[in-house]
Amino acid sequence: GQQVMQIPQYQHVQEGEDFTTYCNSSTTLSNIQWYKQRPGGHPVFLIQLVKSGEVKKQKRLTFQFGEAKKNSSLHITATQTTDVGTYFCAGQANAGNMLTFGGGTRLMVKP
Amino acid sequence: DGGITQSPKYLFRKEGQNVTLSCEQNLNHDAMYWYRQDPGQGLRLIYYSQIVNDFQKGDIAEGYSVSREKKESFPLTVTSAQKNPTAFYLCATAFSAGGYEQYFGPGTRLTVT
Repeated sequence: GQQVMQIPQYQHVQEGEDFTTYCNSSTTLSNIQWYKQRPGGHPVFLIQLVKSGEVKKQKRLTFQFGEAKKNSSLHITATQTTDVGTYFCAGQANAGNMLTFGGGTRLMVKP
Repeated sequence: DGGITQSPKYLFRKEGQNVTLSCEQNLNHDAMYWYRQDPGQGLRLIYYSQIVNDFQKGDIAEGYSVSREKKESFPLTVTSAQKNPTAFYLCATAFSAGGYEQYFGPGTRLTVT
C-alpha cells in the first residue's frame, strides 16, 4: 500500500534558525496536506498542495510540492518558540482514496 | 476543533473490557474518521465513514468497531480483541471524503491495564 515517509523524525533548533521537514511518498499523489500538532493537542490543518511544483507561503512557512508529485517540504524561516510541535504531511493518492499520514517531524525550539 | 467533541478526554479501563469512545460533530460534515496515535508516531486510520449508515475499514481496523446511525455521531468501540488498545484516539471530520481538509477533535487518551 501507499507509504508516506517523513524526515527527520526530530529536530532541535535554536530560536531564529531555519527548519525544514521533508515528506516522500511511495506513489504519485493527487494532493498533499500539512498539519501541525502542538504538544498535548490535536492536528490542525495548515495547507493543501495540488499542482506539480506548487509553492505556497504562509508568513514564515513555505510549502513545496515536487515536480513528480511524490515529495513535499515545509520550511520555516527564523523559527520561534511558538513553532514548537509536530508537523505531519498527509498524502492522497487518488480521488476518493483516504489520506495517508507521514510519521511526523517533531520540532523543538530552544529560546 | 470547536465543532467536534470527543469524550472523555482520559479513559481508563481494565484489560478484557470493551470501551466506547464518543465523537460528535456539528459541522454538518459527511465524512468522519477515527485515527490512532501512539507516542512519537503518526496517525493510523482505523475506520472511516463517508455517509450515514455506511463505513469502511482503515489500515488497522482489527479489534475495533464503529457505527454511523446519525450524521453527527461516529462512536468507536475498542473491543477486548484489540491487543494493544492503549493509545491516543483522534476523531476527524471533513466536508466530504477524499481530498478535503480534515478537522480533528481534541482526542481521547485511553489507558488499558
